[in-house]
This record gives sequence, C-alpha cells and structure tokens, in this order.
Amino acid sequence: DTVLTQSPALAVSPGERVSISCRASEGVNSYMHWYQQKPGQQPKLLIYKASNLASGVPARFSGSGSGTDFTLTIDPVEADDTATYFCQQSWNDPNTFGAGTKLELK
Amino acid sequence: EVQLQESGPGLVKPSQSLSLTCSVTGYSITYNYWGWIRKFLGNKMEWMGYISHSGSTSYNPPLKSRISITRDTSKNQFFLQLNSVTTEDTATYYCARYTYWYFDFWGPGTMVTVSS
Repeated sequence: DTVLTQSPALAVSPGERVSISCRASEGVNSYMHWYQQKPGQQPKLLIYKASNLASGVPARFSGSGSGTDFTLTIDPVEADDTATYFCQQSWNDPNTFGAGTKLELK
Repeated sequence: EVQLQESGPGLVKPSQSLSLTCSVTGYSITYNYWGWIRKFLGNKMEWMGYISHSGSTSYNPPLKSRISITRDTSKNQFFLQLNSVTTEDTATYYCARYTYWYFDFWGPGTMVTVSS
C-alpha cells in the first residue's frame, strides 16, 4: 500500500503562514486530497487533486505538489483553523490516508 | 445539499457481525460512488470499501474476506456488514460520497466498540 507520511504536529501564531507536508512512498500523480477534521466532527474536504479548492473553502487554503511530495498551505492562519489535517491518495489501490498533522495555535 | 447519516449499534460482541446503515438525503445513490471509512483511536484512518452507482463494489484487500457493502436504492441507503469482528475493529465509522476519487460529503460518524 502507498504510505503517506505527515508531520505529527505544528504550532503557529494567528496571521502566520503554515505549510503542512505529505510525502507518498510512491508516485500518486496529482491524486492527493486534503481534509480538515475538528474534534467531534467529520472530516471536511479542503483540496482535491493536489491544488483544487473545494466548494465553500476559504481561499486562505491552497495545495500544491505532484508525484510524491505535496503541501497544504494556510495563509494567513486563523484561530478557527485549529484542527487535524489529513492527506489521502487515490491513485494507487487501495486508497490510503496519512496519519494526520495536528495544527495548534500559539 | 447532500447529507449522510450513519446508524447502527454502538456495541458489538467479538466474533459477531457489525452492521451499519448510511442514509443519504439530497442526492441519489444511483449516481456516484459511496464509501465507508473508519478512524481508529490514535487517528489512523482506513478506507474500507465502496459501492458504485451501478451496485458494483470494491473492498480494501485486508478486509475482503469479512466485508460486504450493499444498498437499497428505494430507501436511498447503503449498508456495511463486517463479520467476525475483534477488538481491533473498534473505531468511528464514517460513510461518505466518493466523487472523482475523493470524499466530498461525509456523515458525522458513529462510534462502534467491540467488547464482550
């Protein structure tokens, strides 16, 4: 299976820019997607196919990358962005998810 | 708007079957794909499988011998059955719409504990 590696946690101050990385153990073309999950809630789609903003998601969120290295950027970070961010690939079977990056605000 | 809602028992005994229902409103399950994903304590998420608009299915290989996803189009529902459960199947189970290879609408999730 394709393993997706994410940093476990990040801490930033409101107003700053943060980049959350996801590295795949093998190429996934552009089929990398990003989700935000807050405690007690379901995941919410933020970015699909590496760089496409999902409907209703603020333009502060953006995605980039292809192949094996992908980045979710939030600029500027707001207090409400405290959450865990997951990446998911769907190029290789089976679909797999990263372990998530917990974003905390200072 | 597309809405999904999981339902089913919150407690299942080891060796028994786990059965969940996903009720969909605002969109017909005869379009797109519809999947089940679970999240374990500690954040690991696992795609379990999906059922397509035509009723065909695809499952994550480690689960293939134990899992079945079916549907009732008249009720706009799809179902998960996982057999021979163990404590390692304790997780929060989500149903979601699978569109062009990503999950764009999710249910709120239902926690299932496997314990005697």
